[in-house]
Amino acid sequence: QQQVKQSPQSLIVQKGGISIINCAYENTAFDYFPWYQQFPGKGPALLIAIRPDVSEKKEGRFTISFNKSAKQFSLHIMDSQPGDSATYFCAALYGGSQGNLIFGKGTKLSVKP
Amino acid sequence: DAGVIQSPRHEVTEMGQEVTLRCKPISGHNSLFWYRQTMMRGLELLIYFNNNVPIDDSGMPEDRFSAKMPNASFSTLKIQPSEPRDSAVYFCASSAQGGNTEAFFGQGTRLTVV
Repeated sequence: QQQVKQSPQSLIVQKGGISIINCAYENTAFDYFPWYQQFPGKGPALLIAIRPDVSEKKEGRFTISFNKSAKQFSLHIMDSQPGDSATYFCAALYGGSQGNLIFGKGTKLSVKP
Repeated sequence: DAGVIQSPRHEVTEMGQEVTLRCKPISGHNSLFWYRQTMMRGLELLIYFNNNVPIDDSGMPEDRFSAKMPNASFSTLKIQPSEPRDSAVYFCASSAQGGNTEAFFGQGTRLTVV
């Protein structure tokens, strides 16, 4: 079970609102969960990441919440800004240092001014 | 460092032609990934190299696809013969030590097969 299921596919939020993107996985061997941000015409770039021994990680306006028992994790963007408009991908790693990332299908976020 | 460098940025080719995509990873990184991105399927891992050795190529769709990493600073992804359904953006990424460190992506190559 190497899939990572991401929702919603698209999201529209007003400036200053909270954006929430959810991901779920099946493989309990996954041990690293990054979020990537992609702007049009660019490659994805690492935004924030978490390991399963931590339930929450915050960096500025971005927070990952991790629920190991439910095998779910989510990205919260507080005080969303138009500059946050991008596609967000959750990902999960299997295979440790020899492993590779499995990406969700992505969420296109639009923050309206 | 200039980051991961991919070439060409755009490629338009006719069905049946050979296409070669190129990637220069970040110096000192020992892991390299090739991904394909489409609207329908999202980001799909095609192949993953560690220390120039292919570790996982289970994502390579068909025998028409092949990838090489002759040295630590260069990798190619070749499609021969190309088909219209191969049209996508192909990304190369590198990381310092496998997938559990930050993977840095290149700008991608937009391939159109007509």
